[in-house]
Amino acid sequence: DGGITQSPKYLFRKEGQNVTLSCEQNLNHDAMYWYRQDPGQGLRLIYYSQIVNDFQKGDIAEGYSVSREKKESFPLTVTSAQKNPTAFYLCASSIMGQGDGYTFGSGTRLTVV
Amino acid sequence: ILNVEQSPQSLHVQEGDSTNFTCSFPSSNFYALHWYRWETAKSPEALFVMTLNGDEKKKGRISATLNTKEGYSYLYIKGSQPEDSATYLCASFPFTGTASKLTFGTGTRLQVTL
Repeated sequence: DGGITQSPKYLFRKEGQNVTLSCEQNLNHDAMYWYRQDPGQGLRLIYYSQIVNDFQKGDIAEGYSVSREKKESFPLTVTSAQKNPTAFYLCASSIMGQGDGYTFGSGTRLTVV
Repeated sequence: ILNVEQSPQSLHVQEGDSTNFTCSFPSSNFYALHWYRWETAKSPEALFVMTLNGDEKKKGRISATLNTKEGYSYLYIKGSQPEDSATYLCASFPFTGTASKLTFGTGTRLQVTL
């Protein structure tokens, strides 16, 4: 079955460490996205990519980095520069970034300890 | 309206009740309006993608309407069942060229009890 796989489901990070969240899709979707959810807030866009080797900053990109070397993969690195990284992170993909329904992964919960 | 706003924030209904939620969004540069259902411990699932003013879409007991001129959409659930319990998200997709992207509301959390 096609879908999006995020790993790990839970991740613990010590302050000052970089961590990378994995997102893989086998839907042949061109566009991929990373969102962050905090209590009481809507999903906020971190980064998105509409084509391999290209990506754009979303609304809250500071302290994060991404790469898009393959169409199927869009990993997110949470760097030590991100001051408040504890959150729930969702990856999504769509056929094109122009209003088609998004397919979401099951998310990664990151906790800084 | 500059952001996507949803109301109510949460809702608790009895099985068999019909209910509806509101999504308000910026009407300028409108391109599409998405509705998603997000059950606990699962991934958000797309319900509807709506683009035309006056459009109405239906999926089983769930339907949605769209008014792009005034910037609102309603989601209706007829005869709520416990399996309808979830957070319902709406998201607006304005057309701004290559920078177009979805903006989500905070969601309406629905709980249906027996």
